[in-house]
Amino acid sequence: DAKTTQPPSMDCAEGRAANLPCNHSTISGNEYVYWYRQIHSQGPQYIIHGLKNNETNEMASLIITEDRKSSTLILPHATLRDTAVYYCIVRGKLYGGATNKLIFGTGTLLAVQP
Amino acid sequence: DVKVTQSSRYLVKRTGEKVFLECVQDMDHENMFWYRQDPGLGLRLIYFSYDVKMKEKGDIPEGYSVSREKKERFSLILESASTNQTSMYLCASCCRDRRIPEQYFGPGTRLTVT
Repeated sequence: DAKTTQPPSMDCAEGRAANLPCNHSTISGNEYVYWYRQIHSQGPQYIIHGLKNNETNEMASLIITEDRKSSTLILPHATLRDTAVYYCIVRGKLYGGATNKLIFGTGTLLAVQP
Repeated sequence: DVKVTQSSRYLVKRTGEKVFLECVQDMDHENMFWYRQDPGLGLRLIYFSYDVKMKEKGDIPEGYSVSREKKERFSLILESASTNQTSMYLCASCCRDRRIPEQYFGPGTRLTVT
């Protein structure tokens, strides 16, 4: 699985867009980009995933560069409740059996300021 | 509402004790995981199971064993607890839909070994 690099921390003003970058320069063609977040004292929560097209759901948008070597998670209107550690993970498509594990790194601590 | 529950939020054990951490999911998921989380190290996979009675070692299995006798229950066992096993332990299960790699996490058990 490709390694990812994220900044250790970021700040964002409440109501503004939070843009969280992730570098994955060794990603291979069949590997997806997944994002999770972990709010303090809770387990991680899935946010979004993508292969090469930009993706959007009710929580966030995922922008993947054309060469797929980096991506950005966008929280369009950050709130105080979005303060969390955000994990960017790269791995192959899930199949059955023993292949469904994810490798979490240390992530980015996003602090949303009032 | 989907749910992963863990037997205890906080646990204090003595060195050398045998410790059982229980995890139960109500989503009929095939895959279950045990992670530990330590400051500065992120989440590290200890063991995972992709079916009843099936298990695979994660990245840090030493000092741990697991048991999956029923689909909904995955137990982590510390045969002889040591102080370096003081940590937050997180259980997860997956997947509701194989197209969506969403691991559902429990609230965690903070284990202190004295």
